[in-house]
Amino acid sequence: DVVLTQTPPTLSATIGQSVSISCRSSQSLLHSNGNTYLHWLLQRPGQSPQLLIYLVSRLESGVPNRFSGSGSGTDFTLKISGVEAEDLGVYYCVQGTHAPWTFGGGTKLELK
Amino acid sequence: EVQLVESGGSLVQPGGSLKLSCVASGFTFSNYWMDWVRQTPGKSLEWIGEINTDGSKTNYAPSIKDRFTISRDNAKSTLYLQMSNVKSDDTAIYYCTRIPDYWGQGVMVTVSS
Repeated sequence: DVVLTQTPPTLSATIGQSVSISCRSSQSLLHSNGNTYLHWLLQRPGQSPQLLIYLVSRLESGVPNRFSGSGSGTDFTLKISGVEAEDLGVYYCVQGTHAPWTFGGGTKLELK
Repeated sequence: EVQLVESGGSLVQPGGSLKLSCVASGFTFSNYWMDWVRQTPGKSLEWIGEINTDGSKTNYAPSIKDRFTISRDNAKSTLYLQMSNVKSDDTAIYYCTRIPDYWGQGVMVTVSS
């Protein structure tokens, strides 16, 4: 199975600070059809996961544009340009290129 | 609005059985593969299985294979997870999901004597 390694495991930020989360895959996530099925989820405290970014860099409807995703192959990054209080929670990368679906270990974003 | 509403979570004894349900609305349920994902307390997410659109094909994680069965009733827009011979390691929140874009609120399953 594909292993997704997220760093850092915990991120402390102040409101307004820009932060980045890395997701590294054990193998390339480029599918033979040309798509890269790497997505980012946010799980706020006490809630279920919600989709933020799909196919590496596409912003899900309703998600603020301070969130952005980038990367290719095995290395991916989620950036938040100006953290807001509602952004606190655990971020997960998830891949669907290679069955089965696998998730990163999560990055907890907390207030400094 | 897409909604996935799970039910059926409870306390169950080791070796026992439990059936979870997930009612979908807001989209054409029969057009989508559906999945179950679980989350142990304080831990990451684990994909446990999926079912194709007409219910003829399922795939499972090794950790639950031969113990859990996923099924669906497209007429009722409902997804099921039949859990058998449960173990303490199966204690988790179970999410019904149209991965990765829509997730249910999750149901807690606790396996304990």
